[in-house]
Amino acid sequence: QKEVEQDPGPLSVPEGAIVSLNCTYSNSAFQYFMWYRQYSRKGPELLMYTYSSGNKEDGRFTAQVDKSSKYISLFIRDSQPSDSATYLCATRLGNQFYFGTGTSLTVIP
Amino acid sequence: EAGVTQFPSHSVIEKGQTVTLRCDPISGHDNLYWYRRVMGKEIKFLLHFVKESKQDESGMPNNRFLAERTGGTYSTLKVQPAELEDSGVYFCASSPRDRQYGYTFGSGTRLTVV
Repeated sequence: QKEVEQDPGPLSVPEGAIVSLNCTYSNSAFQYFMWYRQYSRKGPELLMYTYSSGNKEDGRFTAQVDKSSKYISLFIRDSQPSDSATYLCATRLGNQFYFGTGTSLTVIP
Repeated sequence: EAGVTQFPSHSVIEKGQTVTLRCDPISGHDNLYWYRRVMGKEIKFLLHFVKESKQDESGMPNNRFLAERTGGTYSTLKVQPAELEDSGVYFCASSPRDRQYGYTFGSGTRLTVV
């Protein structure tokens, strides 16, 4: 069983739509939860992180963690073409990060 | 500040050859990590340096892979001899000693073994 499961998509939405990206994880010992954004031919870039259950908002992005169901979500409001990228969820145990496979998102103008 | 630099950005080698990947972390970052993404799979941990010491190398696939970080600055990852299944994108990341939640990744080296 993978440590982190993520639907690879691809996901295609019109500009201005609300995007919901989701992951589940297997180990209740996982602590930090992160979302990375990766543009083509680039390395992953940290978008948001959270430690506890609940919501964390940063501009158009909201990260949500539900530890009881081991569920991680990222919501993007008013999506823009520049949001088109692959989004990776990640968790941490010790000094190792465990990544999902990434969801490819395209926002159509 | 300059980011994490990796080179080469691409490498195509024949099976059995040797390849050395290099990573220059952000200056002052004690932690340096190597990760790998094989096509269609998730990014997976290879190893972790704290300064020049290997903190955790549990993700290294086998003894054909050798990582070094002499002097606690840049790091190299050597694959010798390379096999077809070693193809993928190798990412390096670094973080300050007390960073808990995220690293800064380089753009990766895309390795193709033919």
